[in-house]
Amino acid sequence: DAMVIQNPRYQVTQFGKPVTLSCSQTLNHNVMYWYQQKSSQAPKLLFHYYDKDFNNEADTPDNFQSRRPNTSFCFLDIRSPGLGDTAMYLCATSSGGPLTDGYTFGSGTRLTVV
Amino acid sequence: GQNIDQPTEMTATEGAIVQINCTYQTSGFNGLFWYQQHAGEAPTFLSYNVLDGLEEKGRFSSFLSRSKGYSYLLLKELQMKDSASYLCAALDSNYQLIWGAGTKLIIKP
Repeated sequence: DAMVIQNPRYQVTQFGKPVTLSCSQTLNHNVMYWYQQKSSQAPKLLFHYYDKDFNNEADTPDNFQSRRPNTSFCFLDIRSPGLGDTAMYLCATSSGGPLTDGYTFGSGTRLTVV
Repeated sequence: GQNIDQPTEMTATEGAIVQINCTYQTSGFNGLFWYQQHAGEAPTFLSYNVLDGLEEKGRFSSFLSRSKGYSYLLLKELQMKDSASYLCAALDSNYQLIWGAGTKLIIKP
């Protein structure tokens, strides 16, 4: 089945130790998003790609970087994780066209910074 | 500023009907989504409304009033598996999703 896959599902990292989260999609969607979601809060958009065009949200910390080497893959790099970065990180895709099917989300990576 | 309001938590009984309300204020409007999110899992798409009126999909229906900045999600014949958070999200003029914090729905037998 076409889908959005995130790895790993769970990640524990030490304070200040760089970590990379990955997302892949078989939907051939143009747009890929990274969201951060803390407990009982709304997802917060960090950045998105429309094809190779990178769009950074104004309030996304510099500590967060992203790469999209090709249509299928997108990575989230956290250069020096802090305790406040403990959250669920959600990758989502959309076709960039009609919205009747919404965004497709991966299963998320639950990151814990210790 | 842009804002989505929905109740924090609701409780309902198995087999009953529940309506979850959402009001929105956005810079421009290109539609409203409802997502279901079980604890510790990713959101899953339920519905998308861009025109006024009611859209029905099985046990779930979603309503939109653009003039009032208001939407609701109606769940019928509630099942225990419907216990989840329900997220309302509006698409603004830049096609960015503005999310609500979600409504936690608790179903009791």
